[in-house]
Amino acid sequence: DIVMTQSPDSLAVSLGERATINCKSSQSVLYSSNNKNYLAWYQQKPGQPPKLLIYWASTRESGVPDRFSGSGSGTDFTLTISSLQAEDVAVYYCQQYYSTPLFTFGPGTKVDIK
Amino acid sequence: QVQLVQSGAEVKKPGASVKVSCKASGYTFTSYDINWVRQATGQGLEWMGWMNPNSGNTGYAQKFQGRVTMTRNTSISTAYMELSSLRSEDTAVYYCARGVRVSGIVGATLADYWGQGTLVTVSS
Repeated sequence: DIVMTQSPDSLAVSLGERATINCKSSQSVLYSSNNKNYLAWYQQKPGQPPKLLIYWASTRESGVPDRFSGSGSGTDFTLTISSLQAEDVAVYYCQQYYSTPLFTFGPGTKVDIK
Repeated sequence: QVQLVQSGAEVKKPGASVKVSCKASGYTFTSYDINWVRQATGQGLEWMGWMNPNSGNTGYAQKFQGRVTMTRNTSISTAYMELSSLRSEDTAVYYCARGVRVSGIVGATLADYWGQGTLVTVSS
């Protein structure tokens, strides 16, 4: 199975500052036939289900603010919140959907306001 | 709009079974997979398995093989997840999530919409 890791476990960022979360997969999730990375990011606020933010490692889901961006390829990925807002306080999970139908999620990164 | 509405909270004794429902609306139920994911309190997300509502085909995570059964009733656009031989470690919120087929890898899906979650508590 593909194992996903994330760093840091948690971070606190001042309002308006940048937050960066890293995600690493134990094997590449880049499919050479279409050059796409099967990597998604989810946001989960307390008491709510996860919400899809980004897929194909860098494509924002409809309605997601453009302060959220994803980058990376192969085994190393990053989620960046360019200017943290109060409503962005949440736990963020990366997830691979390469080894279909088995999903695996990272352990999550908690983002708080400093 | 797409909605997945799950059944209410359950309290079960060790050794019992629980069946959670997930009613879909706002889209063609048989055109998208349904995944089940669980989350223990304060913990991360754990994928349990997948079902194709059109064919009824299923696939389960090895950890749950033999204990989980995923079914559906297409006439009422509802998916079900039954977990048997419950133990305290199964106490968690259980989510259904719609799986949209994506390009490239055959059968690859992305979980785009999620139900609100169902808390299952296993306690004697």
